[in-house]
Amino acid sequence: AQKVTQAQTEISVVEKEDVTLDCVYETRDTTYYLFWYKQPPSGELVFLIRRNSFDEQNEISGRYSWNFQKSTSSFNFTITASQVVDSAVYFCALSEANTGNQFYFGTGTSLTVIP
Amino acid sequence: ETGVTQTPRHLVMGMTNKKSLKCEQHLGHNAMYWYKQSAKKPLELMFVYSLEERVENNSVPSRFSPECPNSSHLFLHLHTLQPEDSALYLCASSQALPLYNEQFFGPGTRLTVL
Repeated sequence: AQKVTQAQTEISVVEKEDVTLDCVYETRDTTYYLFWYKQPPSGELVFLIRRNSFDEQNEISGRYSWNFQKSTSSFNFTITASQVVDSAVYFCALSEANTGNQFYFGTGTSLTVIP
Repeated sequence: ETGVTQTPRHLVMGMTNKKSLKCEQHLGHNAMYWYKQSAKKPLELMFVYSLEERVENNSVPSRFSPECPNSSHLFLHLHTLQPEDSALYLCASSQALPLYNEQFFGPGTRLTVL
């Protein structure tokens, strides 16, 4: 079974709209870490955020915000007032403390922001 | 050079060729990784190196052979590949294991096997 599910394959929004990218994860560990990475057309993944399983506080960084809910095993990512430069593939990922040398990515959501 | 660099950026090879992918990190990190990114599939972690020692090999076929001569360089030697091995191969590094530390990625090598 896939440990990280990103059900949205592709999303298109018009510039300045808000957009939420969904991520659902599956783990039996009590200690784990969740991540979001951005992959622009140039190819290299860029780290955006890491949260550990004991910190359910939502986080805001500029136009980016993350909503972590253990009750629904979700770690959703919202971009407010989207810009063309936000166009990229976004990956959610999971690392479990008990299997520290494994890293599980979702299939990614391709976001296109239309000017 | 800064960050993580990978060469070549594009590679086309036949099934009988032998080639190598190179990764270099300029961040002073102690852990390096190879990932495979195929269309419509999650990125797959292939190999994990820590302090030049391989610590994970995720059921990768033997036609992929990694080498880590020092903590700054990582190679992926390819031989007798199959067309389904065509993918983007990404190298990453982090300060150290475990893998929940932030990883820094290179731009990848786009491999096409004919």
